[in-house]
Parts: sequence; structure tokens; C-alpha cells
Amino acid sequence: GEDVEQSLFLSVREGDSSVINCTYTDSSSTYLYWYKQEPGAGLQLLTYIFSNMDMKQDQRLTVLLNKKDKHLSLRIADTQTGDSAIYFCAESEAASKIIFGSGTRLSIRP
Amino acid sequence: GAVVSQHPSWVICKSGTSVKIECRSLDFQATTMFWYRQFPKQSLMLMATSNEGSKATYEQGVEKDKFLINHASLTLSTLTVTSAHPEDSSFYICSARESKGNTEAFFGQGTRLTVV
Repeated sequence: GEDVEQSLFLSVREGDSSVINCTYTDSSSTYLYWYKQEPGAGLQLLTYIFSNMDMKQDQRLTVLLNKKDKHLSLRIADTQTGDSAIYFCAESEAASKIIFGSGTRLSIRP
Repeated sequence: GAVVSQHPSWVICKSGTSVKIECRSLDFQATTMFWYRQFPKQSLMLMATSNEGSKATYEQGVEKDKFLINHASLTLSTLTVTSAHPEDSSFYICSARESKGNTEAFFGQGTRLTVV
């Protein structure tokens, strides 16, 4: 079945860039997502990328997709304390259910 | 972006009782709604996919008689946890996709259920 994997923790210094990595198994994935979850809250869609794209940039966020290796990454430039959260990688086929990774807890140190 | 409202935000109930959680799309029509469950410090696990006007599709291992899902209109889906037990205590989150196969799924704020 479909599987999405990501590391559980990442700690970065304030002002540095954060890179969160994700791998997935479903070769039929059409859309790949990054969601942010703050404590006790729902999910906020940060960005998504179509499987026919290699890169997408949106302000401080850069998403890179290596479809051959089924590897997705999210880079957050100039990481701030407000970026502390759990980041979920997710994938879906067109209009289908979304499968989530385990989430990466990003902590920011001064 | 579009708004999905989930109610209640938190609920405490006694073992053996039933609890209903509502998920509403406020400014768009959602042909499909998804229900997820999240255990502490874990990912979201898809429970079921709910299509308006038809029976929900449950994921393997999810008891359909225990987690009743109704999607009566294009803006409302409900999840009823029947005969709740302490092990049902969890964070339940719904999401909705706009009709016409829109890519983006909008999430509710979640409902924290505590069964005592």
C-alpha cells in the first residue's frame, strides 16, 4: 500500500534554513503536500506540488521533488520561532484520499 | 482559503455514550469529506472517506458500526462515535475537498475527544 516516511525530529538555529525530507512509495501520486500543525490545532496547508514539477517556491518555502527517487523536501528559509510546529508530508492521487507521513517536529533554538 | 468548521472543538463523555462530531464546509461545496484520527505525537490515520449521498468507505481496521459517518449534504458530514470507550479518546480531524476534483483539501480545527 501507499506509505509516506519522514524523520521525526529536526532542530535548527533561528535564522538558519530548515530542510525537512520525505519519501513516498506510491508511483501514482499526483499531488504532494506539506501541511503544518501547531499544538492542539488542525492542519494548515503550506504548499503542494504536482508530480510533473521539480520545484515550487513560495516566499520562504521551497519544495523540491525528485520523482525518480520519490523524494520530497521542504526548505524553510530564515527559520523563525513561529515556524515551530509539526510538518506533515502527504501524497494523493487525483481527487483521492490523502496519505500522511508521521510528521516532523521542528524545533527552533536561539 | 476555504473554511471547514468542525464542532465541537473538544468533548468529554462517559464510557458507553455516543458522541457526534460535525464537519461543515462554510463557503464551498464538498463532494468528498475525509475523517482522520490522530493519536498523540503520531500522524493522521485516515478512517473513512465520505461521499455526499452515498455510504462512506472505511479503511481497513476501522469499525463502521462504531464510527458512523453520514454525509447528508454537500456542506455537512458527521462522525458519531458510538458506545465510546477510553481507547477511543483521540483527536479527530475532518477535511473536505471542493467539488470538481480540486487539489486542495481543507481541514477542520479538530475535535479532541476524551472518554472517561
